Amino acid sequence: NAGVMQNPRHLVRRRGQEARLRCSPMKGHSHVYWYRQLPEEGLKFMVYLQKENIIDESGMPKERFSAEFPKEGPSILRIQQVVRGDSAAYFCASSPVRGWGTEAFFGQGTRLTVV
Amino acid sequence: TQLLEQSPQFLSIQEGENLTVYCNSSSVFSSLQWYRQEPGEGPVLLVTVVTGGEVKKLKRLTFQFGDARKDSSLHITAAQPGDTGLYLCAGSKDGGSQGNLIFGKGTKLSVKP
Repeated sequence: NAGVMQNPRHLVRRRGQEARLRCSPMKGHSHVYWYRQLPEEGLKFMVYLQKENIIDESGMPKERFSAEFPKEGPSILRIQQVVRGDSAAYFCASSPVRGWGTEAFFGQGTRLTVV
Repeated sequence: TQLLEQSPQFLSIQEGENLTVYCNSSSVFSSLQWYRQEPGEGPVLLVTVVTGGEVKKLKRLTFQFGDARKDSSLHITAAQPGDTGLYLCAGSKDGGSQGNLIFGKGTKLSVKP
């Protein structure tokens, strides 16, 4: 029973490049959440998606960041024109129904380094 | 403003000792969760507490949710090296319907053999 799969595990990008982070939820889960963890900081909510819908993007920076969860395939977090401050661990979690009241499971994260 | 304050920030103890870590807020949460995160890994859920005053036990770990649902504690009895990790508390203010958990910065625990 595969858990939440994130890839790549590590991603290095030069300033100005694009970063694409992928998240495949657990089987049967149709709700995906993205969080960012900066060094020495707690996890910060970014966005909550259901298949083909963005439910809550209140934590997403207004520029350069976007997220999608298409009908088929993984959820994608896209960061355009990356800057050094984007370096962080990005975690995805999934749940079978709406909201965090039921258990949601985190993936192992993608560690983005911008050089 | 950090809505959830965790203390202590760092804790280093010897195997066999007991410890308590705290998660405090001035806000009321509908539920609160505790996670453990190991280096290079994602957080792993330990417990969810939803009722004020609730106490849950998980082997040597005891979790308590404050009566007013503003704070929580995690007590570990007879700590073992395998307990080493970052302990995170996370609160939900809307029943989790928006998936927006508020995390504390964590307590980094090191248990030495």
